[in-house]
Amino acid sequence: AQKVTQAQTEISVVEKEDVTLDCVYETRDTTYYLFWYKQPPSGELVFLIRRNSFDEQNEISGRYSWNFQKSTSSFNFTITASQVVDSAVYFCALSVPGTYKYIFGTGTRLKVLA
Amino acid sequence: SAVISQKPSRDICQRGTSLTIQCQVDSQVTMMFWYRQQPGQSLTLIATANQGSEATYESGFVIDKFPISRPNLTFSTLTVSNMSPEDSSIYLCSVVGQGRGTDTQYFGPGTRLTVL
Repeated sequence: AQKVTQAQTEISVVEKEDVTLDCVYETRDTTYYLFWYKQPPSGELVFLIRRNSFDEQNEISGRYSWNFQKSTSSFNFTITASQVVDSAVYFCALSVPGTYKYIFGTGTRLKVLA
Repeated sequence: SAVISQKPSRDICQRGTSLTIQCQVDSQVTMMFWYRQQPGQSLTLIATANQGSEATYESGFVIDKFPISRPNLTFSTLTVSNMSPEDSSIYLCSVVGQGRGTDTQYFGPGTRLTVL
């Protein structure tokens, strides 16, 4: 069975702090995709990144970085120098290519305080 | 990525009534999906909207309660029928990206529904 676990329900940080959101997944498939989405208070789900299971390179995009480790089945997301605008619920998701079915984690609510 | 719009953005409805939510995409897409997100919860897939045929529903969701139409490759509707307060949720449509974005779902802005 496939499963995505986001153990952190809610995190609060002060602006400019770094914060890491954890994502642990389970799957028996050798080929899969991992995703992160951001859901601000407006409700829209914003795509952040997709990672192929064959590509374990870490990725950096501005203040965002992602650490994918197959050995620990984790796909963690770090925000450097957090800002108030980063306050949102962040979802990690897993899918198997061609199925279009996403397994979502329960989300982590990030509050960045000014 | 495709631009996705939903109407209405929010609504407050009385129990027993029905609401139809529209999802419009600015380009043709193969796959369209409808999700429900209950307050404070994660997303749950309701169904895959198939163009020209009946939608494919996930376990726990039935056509009588959530009829879906998809008349073409850019438009779909979801109706929430005979509503109860338990139907209060955000309803989101999503589409699968084209080309390099294949297998990545892009979501509409959502419809925030409150049932009294």
